[in-house]
Amino acid sequence: EDQVTQSPEALRLQEGESSSLNCSYTVSGLRGLFWYRQDPGKGPEFLFTLYSAGEEKEKERLKATLTKKESFLHITAPKPEDSATYLCAVQAGYSSASKIIFGSGTRLSIRP
Amino acid sequence: GAVVSQHPSWVICKSGTSVKIECRSLDFQATTMFWYRQFPKQSLMLMATSNEGSKATYEQGVEKDKFLINHASLTLSTLTVTSAHPEDSSFYICSAGDRVDDEQYFGPGTRLTVT
Repeated sequence: EDQVTQSPEALRLQEGESSSLNCSYTVSGLRGLFWYRQDPGKGPEFLFTLYSAGEEKEKERLKATLTKKESFLHITAPKPEDSATYLCAVQAGYSSASKIIFGSGTRLSIRP
Repeated sequence: GAVVSQHPSWVICKSGTSVKIECRSLDFQATTMFWYRQFPKQSLMLMATSNEGSKATYEQGVEKDKFLINHASLTLSTLTVTSAHPEDSSFYICSAGDRVDDEQYFGPGTRLTVT
């Protein structure tokens, strides 16, 4: 059964304090691993797609990496506006018609 | 990037009534759309996969007679919550698969409150 586990459940950091969020997954035939940001009361906002082990992608203060079993979302020198829930999800299969399975998310809070 | 809209963005209804939520792909065609439900402080749970011109595929534990899905065109899928009860109050989010760039895009969500 396809499964996604995120840790920690919640993370509180001081502004400028770098850290990493973990996403462990088991899936038969990974098509892609996704990272989303979700603010309260809003839909998920796409951040990254990773397709194969060893792949890395960066966007501003965020960097996502992928291995065969897990993915990390590294946050460098975070700011209060980075506070949100970060969701990891996996998609098996061969097209966008395949369903996406979400992890439970990590609630990130950045203190000024 | 591709845009997915949902209407309404929030709705309040009385217990026992039905509510329809629309999901539209604004600038692309989507043969497949997905419906998710998200309870407070929980992650998105896939409810069903909606395929244009055919019956939806429901996830285990989701009542297909209660959550009616219609995917009448390549840009529109609807979710109707029939005989809504307070426990159906949740955040409903749809996503649509773009056939051109083969990616999924999420809508902004619909907040349903059943009183």
